[in-house]
Amino acid sequence: DVKVTQSSRYLVKRTGEKVFLECVQDMDHENMFWYRQDPGLGLRLIYFSYDVKMKEKGDIPEGYSVSREKKERFSLILESASTNQTSMYLCASSKGGSGANVLTFGAGSRLTVL
Amino acid sequence: QKEVEQNSGPLSVPEGAIASLNCTYSDRVSQSFFWYRQYSGKSPELIMSIYSNGDKEDGRFTAQLNKASQYVSLLIRDSQPSDSATYLCAVEIPGNTGKLIFGQGTTLQVKP
Repeated sequence: DVKVTQSSRYLVKRTGEKVFLECVQDMDHENMFWYRQDPGLGLRLIYFSYDVKMKEKGDIPEGYSVSREKKERFSLILESASTNQTSMYLCASSKGGSGANVLTFGAGSRLTVL
Repeated sequence: QKEVEQNSGPLSVPEGAIASLNCTYSDRVSQSFFWYRQYSGKSPELIMSIYSNGDKEDGRFTAQLNKASQYVSLLIRDSQPSDSATYLCAVEIPGNTGKLIFGQGTTLQVKP
């Protein structure tokens, strides 16, 4: 089974702190994604990556950056955390290619910014 | 604007009944569709994917796709209390992008 591991399940940070959310997948998937999930707003795509060192903005990239230095690892960075970034963050990966875009999600990281 | 619409519910059905979950999408050229289940406090997990018009069955679950009407549905037969969860409809942005747009989800409650 594909496994997507997010390093932290729960984080509490202060406004202005730099926050790193780490995600690792173990099935050699090409594609990796960061979503955030908020009540009433559903899942929204922040950033995604099709390959190492490659990244593309999703629907809500403001206030976030990402890093993919290795194929299996995709990090989400909040340069200066703000209270409106309190949310559930979900990492996902997919094999990529036609008909191979089923997403597998990690367990999620619930971030609270005070 | 690409959109995926679902009724947020809650949809309440008695145990053993058929639950019908519906989803509409705005991009006519979409080709790949997915249903995910999300239990409270957990991450989404794939139930079914469907790519062609018609029905696709997997156990108690049937996905139905009608591209002309831009409509995809999920039927759950013999609903069980363990099916109580939020069901997310997702549509891949056309062009084999790998990017999925999610609906807000429908909360299903199966009452014993």
